[in-house]
Amino acid sequence: DGGITQSPKYLFRKEGQNVTLSCEQNLNHDAMYWYRQDPGQGLRLIYYSQIVNDFQKGDIAEGYSVSREKKESFPLTVTSAQKNPTAFYLCASSPWRGGNTEAFFGQGTRLTVV
Amino acid sequence: QQQVKQSPQSLIVQKGGISIINCAYENTAFDYFPWYQQFPGKGPALLIAIRPDVSEKKEGRFTISFNKSAKQFSLHIMDSQPGDSATYFCAANTDKLIFGTGTRLQVFP
Repeated sequence: DGGITQSPKYLFRKEGQNVTLSCEQNLNHDAMYWYRQDPGQGLRLIYYSQIVNDFQKGDIAEGYSVSREKKESFPLTVTSAQKNPTAFYLCASSPWRGGNTEAFFGQGTRLTVV
Repeated sequence: QQQVKQSPQSLIVQKGGISIINCAYENTAFDYFPWYQQFPGKGPALLIAIRPDVSEKKEGRFTISFNKSAKQFSLHIMDSQPGDSATYFCAANTDKLIFGTGTRLQVFP
């Protein structure tokens, strides 16, 4: 089955720890995105990548880092510098750079800081 | 400039009624306007989308109305069903998708 796989589904982190969220797609899509979802605030863009070895900051990149070493993988690291990391994180991909086409979403990772 | 404003925040409709969700934008460079549907604990899924050269697009019970001069677009759900209860997001795109804040729709039997 083609699609986007995010793992883990639930993640607990102690304050001060970095944690990495996995996102893998087998759709052969060029572009990949990370969004953060908080109640009442919609989906806010953290980082996006339109091609391997290149990525751009979104609206709320502070405290996060990404890499795009392979076309199918776009992991997100939530660092200890992120002051309020508890949220639902969504990864997406789309076929072409520049958008104008459907974005496919994974099932999300719910991160809780304890 | 990059924002997409969505209203209402929540909507309660009786079964068989019409649900209407509105969005507005400022950036005239946006050239693709999708609507996404999200069920609790799941990722959003594309419902219907429109490009600015078209004023209306209909797919089954779902219709997008687009007013380019007013920079507004809306989603109409005809004959709303309890299974339509979900959160709906409008979005707009240039080189990245920008989402509205979402509308929680509840359809009661």
